[in-house]
Amino acid sequence: NAGVTQTPKFQVLKTGQSMTLQCAQDMNHEYMSWYRQDPGMGLRLIHYSVGAGITDQGEVPNGYNVSRSTTEDFPLRLLSAAPSQTSVYFCASSYSVEYEQYFGPGTRLTVT
Amino acid sequence: GQSLEQPSEVTAVEGAIVQINCTYQTSGFYGLSWYQQHDGGAPTFLSYNGLDGLEETGRFSSFLSRSDSYGYLLLQELQMKDSASYFCAAINGGATNKLIFGTGTLLAVQP
Repeated sequence: NAGVTQTPKFQVLKTGQSMTLQCAQDMNHEYMSWYRQDPGMGLRLIHYSVGAGITDQGEVPNGYNVSRSTTEDFPLRLLSAAPSQTSVYFCASSYSVEYEQYFGPGTRLTVT
Repeated sequence: GQSLEQPSEVTAVEGAIVQINCTYQTSGFYGLSWYQQHDGGAPTFLSYNGLDGLEETGRFSSFLSRSDSYGYLLLQELQMKDSASYFCAAINGGATNKLIFGTGTLLAVQP
C-alpha cells in the first residue's frame, strides 16, 4: 500500500494563479481532509469529506474548493492564489473522523 | 468557537517523564487524539481517548477528563528521538465530523 500520496511536493505560484493539489489514498478510507500548517503553528482544517460526493467546510475554507468524485481522490483547488496561502498543505485519510488519521507527506506551497 | 490550548514549549532531559496538557472548548465534543510531528514531517497518530481515564501505549499514555475539558499526554523514559511537536486534536462528531488541532507543544529533550 502506498498510503496517502500528495503531489506536487513543492510548488511556487504567482499571485492570481490557480492550481490543484492532488491527494490520493489506497486504503479505502471514507474520511478525507485537508489541513494547512503555517510556520510554528498548528494544523488548520480547510475542507473535509465523509465519503464520495460529500464535502464540507472546515475552519479556513475561503479561497479553496474541493470535490470528491471517488473514494480514493480528494483534490484541493486554489482558485486565485494569494501570498497568505503560502503554507504546507497536508492531506489525511481515515475510516472515520474518530479513527487514526493517516497523513500524506505534504505539499510546500509558496505564493509570490 | 472552538479552541484547544497547549503550552508552546516544554524542555526535559533524557530518561525523565514529561506531561503535555491540553484544555479545550469545542461543541459536539466526541474525543481527544494526540499526534506527533517531527520537524518537516507529517503528523503521526499517538493515541485516542473516547472515554474519561487513562489510555496507555508503551511509553506514552493519554488522559481525558470531559468534566474538566482537559486532557494530557504523558511521555515516560524520554529519548532524544522524542524531540518533536505534539498536538492534541478534538473530534467533533455527529453532524460536524471535524478534527480540530491544538496549537502544538514543542518538546525538546536534552541529554
